[in-house]
Amino acid sequence: EVKLEESGGGLVQPGGSMKLSCVASGFTFSNYWMSWVRQSPEKGLEWVAEIRLKSDNYGTHYAESVKGKFTISRDDSKSRLYLQMNSLRAEDTGIYYCIRLVYAMDHWGQGTSVTVSS
Amino acid sequence: DIVMTQSHKFMSTSVGDRVSITCKASQDVSTAVAWYQQKPGQSPKLLIYWASTRHTGVPDRFTGSGSGTDFTLTISNVQAEDLALYYCQQHYFTPFTFGSGTKLEIK
Repeated sequence: EVKLEESGGGLVQPGGSMKLSCVASGFTFSNYWMSWVRQSPEKGLEWVAEIRLKSDNYGTHYAESVKGKFTISRDDSKSRLYLQMNSLRAEDTGIYYCIRLVYAMDHWGQGTSVTVSS
Repeated sequence: DIVMTQSHKFMSTSVGDRVSITCKASQDVSTAVAWYQQKPGQSPKLLIYWASTRHTGVPDRFTGSGSGTDFTLTISNVQAEDLALYYCQQHYFTPFTFGSGTKLEIK
């Protein structure tokens, strides 16, 4: 069974940083593109970033809204996906989902909540 | 960015009926559209990709159609458990973009 489990969310002050982690199981993590998507009442579902395979030199793509602030990375030896988030603002508040990409987003984690507030 | 428009925020139907949820892309995305179902308190789940391919384990009551800019998710013989939000998403270009969702209410 494919499982994706996020952690690392919580409350952070504006301008602060936070690192999200996702541990994958039930499949060969290194064979799949991975992504982060966030959800908020204000913006709905918003794709944040994707990371490709070692054979693609771990190529990454980001939404314009997070480019230069967020960094997606992966550790295939640990089956882990990460999202380093810097310079956080209130509009970054939401539930962040770890996602396996196969054409579309075929498996989602349960999400971790990030609140940016003073 | 490609804008995905779901013009109906709410749709109401009865158990056993058939309902169609529509989605329009702001430009041609071929057949690179997926549909997701999100039940209260849960994360979204993939139903359909490439406009009409059912994801593993999805009941055949769920059917996707369309190409270019106009797409439809049809649920036949609606069940009470189909109460949920339904989102379309284009997986043709990054940034991947989602519709704003259609909430299916069961009378």
